[in-house]
Order: sequence, then C-alpha cells, then structure tokens
Amino acid sequence: AQKVTQAQTEISVVEKEDVTLDCVYETRDTTYYLFWYKQPPSGELVFLIRRNSFDEQNEISGRYSWNFQKSTSSFNFTITASQVVDSAVYFCVRGDSWGKLQFGAGTQVVVTP
Amino acid sequence: EAGVAQSPRYKIIEKRQSVAFWCNPISGHATLYWYQQILGQGPKLLIQFQNNGVVDDSQLPKDRFSAERLKGVDSTLKIQPAKLEDSAVYLCASSKLAGNTDTQYFGPGTRLTVL
Repeated sequence: AQKVTQAQTEISVVEKEDVTLDCVYETRDTTYYLFWYKQPPSGELVFLIRRNSFDEQNEISGRYSWNFQKSTSSFNFTITASQVVDSAVYFCVRGDSWGKLQFGAGTQVVVTP
Repeated sequence: EAGVAQSPRYKIIEKRQSVAFWCNPISGHATLYWYQQILGQGPKLLIQFQNNGVVDDSQLPKDRFSAERLKGVDSTLKIQPAKLEDSAVYLCASSKLAGNTDTQYFGPGTRLTVL
C-alpha cells in the first residue's frame, strides 16, 4: 500500500502561535491528489484544502497555508495564529484517480488559551 | 446546501447481534462511500458506490458486512453478526463525480459499540 505518514502524533500550542503539520506520502502514480481534513471532537471530517499533483503552487487561504514539495513527497500544512477552535485531529490524505483515499494516522492539535 | 446525513449517531449492541446504518448523501452526488474509523486511526474505505453500482468493495468483510444503494441515492450498511472488533465510527461520504477524485464530503458518522 502507498502510505501517508504523519510523524507528529500530537502538537500542543498556546493560542496565537503558528502550528505546522508534517505529511510525507508514497506514490507510484503520476496523477494524484492531496487533501487535509480536520476532525473536531464532534467527529465529523471537515474538508480543508486540496492539491493536484500537477500543481505545486503553494497558497494561503485565510489562516491556512500549505507547502507542497513533489521532490520530497511532502505536503505540510500550517495554521497561522492558532485559536482554541482549531483543536482537532488533522488528517493528511492522498487520493488516486479512481477516488480512493489513503489517510494518514492523524495529528492531534491542542490549542490552549 | 444540506450536508451528508447519517443515522443513528450512536448505537450499542451485543456481539452476534445485527445492526444497520443509514446514509443520505448530498443532493446530486453520484458517488457514495462507507468508511470504518477505529479509534486512533484514519478512516478506511469499506465500499464505494457510483449511482447504484458497486465500484470497489475489496475491503468489505463480506461474510458479515453488506451494503446497498437502491435508486442511487440513500444507502444502508449492515453488519450481521457483529463482533467486538467492529466497534468503530462508520462514516459515510459523497462526491459529485466519480473517478477523478472529486472532493469527498463526510457525514457526522455513527459510533458503534459492540459489547
């Protein structure tokens, strides 16, 4: 199986600090898709961002930004000026061309006031 | 636009009993997915439907799990008989298109506890 590795199990920060989540993926495909999902304590998986393998442009969306480096198979995600509501488990996900998603193990983010 | 709906939200059963979960996808979404998420892990795909046909059920334990999507809209996932290791959250997701990894949107999940 082509794995998605999130090496950080848990990250604890104080409100207003920045948080960067690491993600490394394996792939044999030329075309693939990368996502970040958030799972708050309520349990619902919330879609955050998506990147296609042929587009390495890094962007900022509000307090979220991501760094896609195809050469190192990494797709890191940053939350700027964290808030308590950002406390959740964050999943890095790789998708193939048939819609099959491979989830990482998740990183628990704890933001304290 | 309404999101993916699932019911029940919680279910507790004894082992060897049967249980069924229901999912209503986002209106107009052709593809529907069922995932199993064991505590502390990422979700794992059980079955993928496109309209009312099965695209991928390679990870579905077919001796005890079954799923159907009649009329290409709602879907039910059944476990019969349940085992202790089936305790997990069962997530339903839908996407507009199939095959090009259109973004999947998830429901709130059903938390199953098997005693």
